[in-house]
Amino acid sequence: AQRVTQPEKLLSVFKGAPVELKCNYSYSGSPELFWYVQYSRQRLQLLLRHISRESIKGFTADLNKGETSFHLKKPFAQEEDSAMYYCALSGKAAGNKLTFGGGTRVLVKP
Amino acid sequence: GAGVSQSPRYKVAKRGQDVALRCDPISGHVSLFWYQQALGQGPEFLTYFQNEAQLDKSGLPSDRFFAERPEGSVSTLKIQRTQQEDSAVYLCASSFDRGQGEQYFGPGTRLTVT
Repeated sequence: AQRVTQPEKLLSVFKGAPVELKCNYSYSGSPELFWYVQYSRQRLQLLLRHISRESIKGFTADLNKGETSFHLKKPFAQEEDSAMYYCALSGKAAGNKLTFGGGTRVLVKP
Repeated sequence: GAGVSQSPRYKVAKRGQDVALRCDPISGHVSLFWYQQALGQGPEFLTYFQNEAQLDKSGLPSDRFFAERPEGSVSTLKIQRTQQEDSAVYLCASSFDRGQGEQYFGPGTRLTVT
């Protein structure tokens, strides 16, 4: 069965500091990995997906199949990055459904 | 264009009541998903439709939960004889294609069972 683990419930950093959100997964096969973000009073939205290899809002994430990880990083956090972040996976064996981690709340202090 | 909409946004039900939650996906989106998000947790998959066909209902927690999408657009999630453990935010998401396209989420319906 697929599983996504986000070990940190809360990350508190100062503006301009680097931030890294950890995500580990278990899946039999080739998963597709995503990061979703939910800003205050907004709906859940896609931040980035590993197949696109893009940097969105300064965030990047690299899929490490050896370590089964998909950590999200940003070198210089901004106050507007304060939000809930969810790592999720999907895959052919799982159909099209997303399996989410428990989420990490990021608080960027001024 | 309008995104995914859900109604009602908030629902309070007494234990034992039946509730119906509605999802209007983005027009033309083939795939529709329902997720349940308990307080402090990530969303958990409930069920998946491709057009009007319910292809996966493996996440429905009990036979009190029923979902339909009769014309391949609007979907309704029905919960019969609600229990306190059903209290959660119910999220609907839609995606354009049948594959692993981006899922667009609605604002959710917060259900509180008292």
